[in-house]
Amino acid sequence: DTEVTQTPKHLVMGMTNKKSLKCEQHMGHRAMYWYKQKAKKPPELMFVYSYEKLSINESVPSRFSPECPNSSLLNLHLHALQPEDSALYLCASSRRLSSNTEAFFGQGTRLTVV
Amino acid sequence: TQLLEQSPQFLSIQEGENLTVYCNSSSVFSSLQWYRQEPGEGPVLLVTVVTGGEVKKLKRLTFQFGDARKDSSLHITAAQPGDTGLYLCAGVTSMGNAGGTSYGKLTFGQGTILTVHP
Repeated sequence: DTEVTQTPKHLVMGMTNKKSLKCEQHMGHRAMYWYKQKAKKPPELMFVYSYEKLSINESVPSRFSPECPNSSLLNLHLHALQPEDSALYLCASSRRLSSNTEAFFGQGTRLTVV
Repeated sequence: TQLLEQSPQFLSIQEGENLTVYCNSSSVFSSLQWYRQEPGEGPVLLVTVVTGGEVKKLKRLTFQFGDARKDSSLHITAAQPGDTGLYLCAGVTSMGNAGGTSYGKLTFGQGTILTVHP
């Protein structure tokens, strides 16, 4: 299994809703990432987990709350989002958080905030 | 902040033409990766280059890492419509040590949107 699986593929939510994005990998990778990507732009790093501990938070607003329940799962909890938060949210994983990190990406969740 | 400048931003060519995409920085990277992304999908890793001066080939794609590990290029020979997509370079920067293991952060270039017309 060499896949990073993200669910749902598409999500439409209101500004008062609470929702969660899920990411799963069974490659034994110990580093997992959340990226945000706007159309025709590169991915922007949001969070990095290494061995289930939050290692990097790129000054992301608190309306985004990551969680890593175990080494295979990564969640992103969403609450009180704004329309400008609409984007493709990408999960990635790598064998470990190393200086030669090779990241493998999921297909993403296309989020629309209305 | 380490920046990767990728050029050109847009490239529209005919099938059979050759092209080169450049990725430049003033900073040294531990390694550099190239990804290809199709609309609505996640980036797919094409190659990782680690050693200065390294050249890697993947069918019609040739990747080169600069001697000083600050720049890289992707050359596509005889482009096909199936090569259409967003090409991203990403440099890995060593961030420090955590638990005795050095760790890195991936920084993306701005991307090159390639369109190959039949």
